[in-house]
Amino acid sequence: EVQLLESGGDLLQPGGSLRLSCAASGFTFSTYTMTWVRQAPGKGLEWVSSISDNGLYTFYADSVKGRFTISRDNSKNTLFLQMNSLRAEDTAVYYCAKRRGTATILDHWGQGTLVTVSS
Amino acid sequence: DIQMTQSPSSVSASVGDRVTITCRASQDLSSWLAWYQQKPGKAPKLLIYEASSLQSGVPSRFSGSGSGTDFTLTISSLQPEDFATYYCQQARSFPLSFGGGTRVEIK
Repeated sequence: EVQLLESGGDLLQPGGSLRLSCAASGFTFSTYTMTWVRQAPGKGLEWVSSISDNGLYTFYADSVKGRFTISRDNSKNTLFLQMNSLRAEDTAVYYCAKRRGTATILDHWGQGTLVTVSS
Repeated sequence: DIQMTQSPSSVSASVGDRVTITCRASQDLSSWLAWYQQKPGKAPKLLIYEASSLQSGVPSRFSGSGSGTDFTLTISSLQPEDFATYYCQQARSFPLSFGGGTRVEIK
């Protein structure tokens, strides 16, 4: 059974930094592109970032480019999101998700971790 | 960037009703479109991939159609557990993008 378990969410002040983790199990992690999607309170889904299976290729939404860094450790089956220069508008539940197959369609999602940025 | 426009933003329906949600892309997606269902406080769940393929375990009352720029999600006979918010997502190119969501409410 595929499982994705996010951790690292917290309450912090604007300008702060945070690293989210997503522990994966139940599939061959090293062969799948992985993605972060966020959802602000009461709002819709927003794609944040994706990383290829080998970590060589990364993609970011304009809203986070230059502030967030996606990475992965295939030896530990773990996905990361390093978040710097956090803003109030980054407040959201952050989900990690696994790509289904040949396109970035997300067939398994974690339960999410809440990041709150507030002074 | 590809913009995704969903309609309606909300719909009120009764158990047993047929419900149709549409999604329009600003560029040709071919069939690279997915539909997700999200219930309050839960993660999204994949329903339909590649526009019309039913994800394993999803009831057959859900169906997807369309290609290019216009897509449809249909629930043939609404069940109590289907009251939720539905999102389309284009998977043709980065940056990925989602529709604004359609909330299906009890009439």
